Amino acid sequence: AQRVTQPEKLLSVFKGAPVELKCNYSYSGSPELFWYVQYSRQRLQLLLRHISRESIKGFTADLNKGETSFHLKKPFAQEEDSAMYYCALLLMSYKLIFGSGTRLLVRP
Amino acid sequence: NAGVTQTPKFQVLKTGQSMTLQCAQDMNHEYMSWYRQDPGMGLRLIHYSVGAGITDQGEVPNGYNVSRSTTEDFPLRLLSAAPSQTSVYFCASSFSSNQPQHFGDGTRLSIL
Repeated sequence: AQRVTQPEKLLSVFKGAPVELKCNYSYSGSPELFWYVQYSRQRLQLLLRHISRESIKGFTADLNKGETSFHLKKPFAQEEDSAMYYCALLLMSYKLIFGSGTRLLVRP
Repeated sequence: NAGVTQTPKFQVLKTGQSMTLQCAQDMNHEYMSWYRQDPGMGLRLIHYSVGAGITDQGEVPNGYNVSRSTTEDFPLRLLSAAPSQTSVYFCASSFSSNQPQHFGDGTRLSIL
């Protein structure tokens, strides 16, 4: 079955520490993956997508088909990175399914 | 440019009542979708539409109906509300399914 797994509900780090938000997927087709972010009192918005291979706000994510993972990384966390992060998988049927989300808390 | 507009923002219903959550977008997007967000479960797709007149079921469609008579509007109907439908509902739209989704502010729905 198609599934997106984000194993951590909460990730707490200190400012300046590296961050890795884990995302694993289960899909027999060719995956198209996204990271969405929801800052406090703001709308959910796209952070990045794997096909663009770009860095947004210092975050990067690499698709690893062998490990079926799409982990989100940032070398030095900032307090303004505190938010809810969702990994999402686009299926061939045009369905976009989300993981359960990870709350990132960056402490000063 | 309003983007994706959801109304109402909050609603309390009694079990068995019906209700329509409204979603409108002014970006001429073909793809629209409805999600519900529950603690510990992330966002789950209820229904989606790839264009006017075309809708399909998502992961959790039971208890919900949708229609897409125009490109701009994608209402979500609860025919007979149940406490299990207490949730925050998000509408989203994009040019196509593989383009970034634009989300509304959400509707917080409580069913007593």
